[in-house]
Amino acid sequence: GIQVEQSPPDLILQEGANSTLRCNFSDSVNNLQWFHQNPWGQLINLFYIPSGTKQNGRLSATTVATERYSLLYISSSQTTDSGVYFCAVRGNFNKFYFGSGTKLNVKP
Amino acid sequence: EAQVTQNPRYLITVTGKKLTVTCSQNMNHEYMSWYRQDPGLGLRQIYYSMNVEVTDKGDVPEGYKVSRKEKRNFPLILESPSPNQTSLYFCASGRTPDYEQYFGPGTRLTVT
Repeated sequence: GIQVEQSPPDLILQEGANSTLRCNFSDSVNNLQWFHQNPWGQLINLFYIPSGTKQNGRLSATTVATERYSLLYISSSQTTDSGVYFCAVRGNFNKFYFGSGTKLNVKP
Repeated sequence: EAQVTQNPRYLITVTGKKLTVTCSQNMNHEYMSWYRQDPGLGLRQIYYSMNVEVTDKGDVPEGYKVSRKEKRNFPLILESPSPNQTSLYFCASGRTPDYEQYFGPGTRLTVT
């Protein structure tokens, strides 16, 4: 299967700070998504981004498919951004592979 | 409201007692899948379904069964649960594997 590595594994920020989360994957992909798992366990889809750049408010994401990585940018972080961020990819078959996540803690 | 629902949300059971976790989506999605989430391992796909009567194994299918008799429903069956199946389970759906995937609220299963 496809190996998905996320970094950093843990991140502590002061409210208002910016951050960049990284996702590396070991093979070409047809689908890449970023999810946020809130402290109540709910998984929320942030971006569907197999290539290119997208922005949604304070969040933006860039995927460079040829170099097999994706970045999630969080600007002006808020306490509500806390939780775990997952990257998930799908390769040539119909299976999805998740990274082990980046746990973000935003302090007031 | 477009959503993926799972039941039950919490379940404590004993080794060997068959159980079913239901999953239903109201978005007419063709692709549905089941995942388990364990600390430090992220989410791992158990089974997926491309459409009615079409299912296939994910990365960790041992000890699980699924069926897809209707487009909206995709139940997960544990015929003889064991303690190593204690986990948080998520159902997800998407129009196809190449579209956004939407997750249910999760089912926390404990097998004693």
